[in-house]
Amino acid sequence: EIVMTQSPATLSVSPGERATLSCRASESVSTNVAWYQQKPGQAPRLLISAASTRATGIPARFSGSASGTDFTLTISSLQSEDFAVYSCQQYNHWPPTFGQGTKVEIK
Amino acid sequence: EVHLLESGGDLAQPRGSLRVSCEASGFTFGSYAMAWVRQAPGKGLEWVSAVSGGGGHTAYADSVKGRFTISRDNSKNTLYLQMNSLRVEDTAVYYCARLTIPYAVADFFDSWGQGTLVTVSS
Repeated sequence: EIVMTQSPATLSVSPGERATLSCRASESVSTNVAWYQQKPGQAPRLLISAASTRATGIPARFSGSASGTDFTLTISSLQSEDFAVYSCQQYNHWPPTFGQGTKVEIK
Repeated sequence: EVHLLESGGDLAQPRGSLRVSCEASGFTFGSYAMAWVRQAPGKGLEWVSAVSGGGGHTAYADSVKGRFTISRDNSKNTLYLQMNSLRVEDTAVYYCARLTIPYAVADFFDSWGQGTLVTVSS
């Protein structure tokens, strides 16, 4: 199965700063990658699909990009509500697989 | 608004059984494939199983194949996961999630429930 490797495990960022999260696939997954946000005790929330398409209602400060097997989620200016765990997922190959998550914490 | 509400999580014995459910509202349930995704304490998300909109096609992760059964009752807008021969490593929060298409293929999940905790321990 495809392994999705996220880095870093934890990212310390000050409010208003940019956050860049990475996800690498063990082999090509085309652009079939989604990103989710999860806050403690809450369900995951879809942010991005097809590597760069924002889901309905997701603010423009969230953006996704792809380069080969490397995928990036960028939060342009962190707001207080953005501190959470972010996970990537590939859905190009069966079974769908997730990364281990990146925790974005307040610096 | 899409709403998914899981229930049935509990403490179960190793080698025991448990059934969790997910009641859906806010959309035409039978038009979407549905899935179960779990998250063990402190770990990442793991896809468990999926079922097509009509219920005729199912798929399972290797880790649960032969032990878990996914099903749905479209007349009740409810998704189920029957878990048999439970193992300690099945301990997790189980989320139900909606795929974006009717078919149980590799896809992303556009709506999630709040989850139900299954603990397997003696």
